[in-house]
Amino acid sequence: QQQVKQSPQSLIVQKGGISIINCAYENTAFDYFPWYQQFPGKGPALLIAIRPDVSEKKEGRFTISFNKSAKQFSLHIMDSQPGDSATYFCAASNQGGSVKLVFGKGTKLTVNP
Amino acid sequence: NAGVTQTPKFRILKIGQSMTLQCTQDMNHNYMYWYRQDPGMGLKLIYYSVGAGITDKGEVPNGYNVSRSTTEDFPLRLELAAPSQTSVYFCASSYRPLPNYGYTFGSGTRLTVV
Repeated sequence: QQQVKQSPQSLIVQKGGISIINCAYENTAFDYFPWYQQFPGKGPALLIAIRPDVSEKKEGRFTISFNKSAKQFSLHIMDSQPGDSATYFCAASNQGGSVKLVFGKGTKLTVNP
Repeated sequence: NAGVTQTPKFRILKIGQSMTLQCTQDMNHNYMYWYRQDPGMGLKLIYYSVGAGITDKGEVPNGYNVSRSTTEDFPLRLELAAPSQTSVYFCASSYRPLPNYGYTFGSGTRLTVV
């Protein structure tokens, strides 16, 4: 079953705090795990992505942690800012087959000033 | 370089009406996709295309049709609109293999069926 389960559905964090969003997948053929960020009224945009040959990838305040044996990956936003308030989607695909992305249900992040 | 352009941005349809959602990309991407987004449900794949003349069903294709006569265009057709098709529709495109910048999404079409 091609499914990606994302939690929590919503998250409220104070400015400067750490935001953590978790995803789990079932299909062991998945080999590409991106996170997309979506602001209201806009289409999703790629934030950061990881492939299973590494356990962590960091870009600025955003870090993906990947646990292949547990089939889980997570997004950490350090020093969260009000401008980070958006909906975040995890996704997965099998790059060896189709590049279709399977998305999680999304997490609405609110960062309070 | 406009990226992925979707038209219209908003539309209200009456039950039973038909319409075509337009999607055009100018990046010469071979893959194109249509997703629908419902609150709390994420993005679900409706149809996708791996190149001109080739289309395939995604997770939720019922009630929709697509065509891909050119690399640039991938219109989504709704026949006999139903309230269950009220949603925000996103078109996206990509290369295969997926580049570092991932999918490029359009800005969406918000459709209401009444």
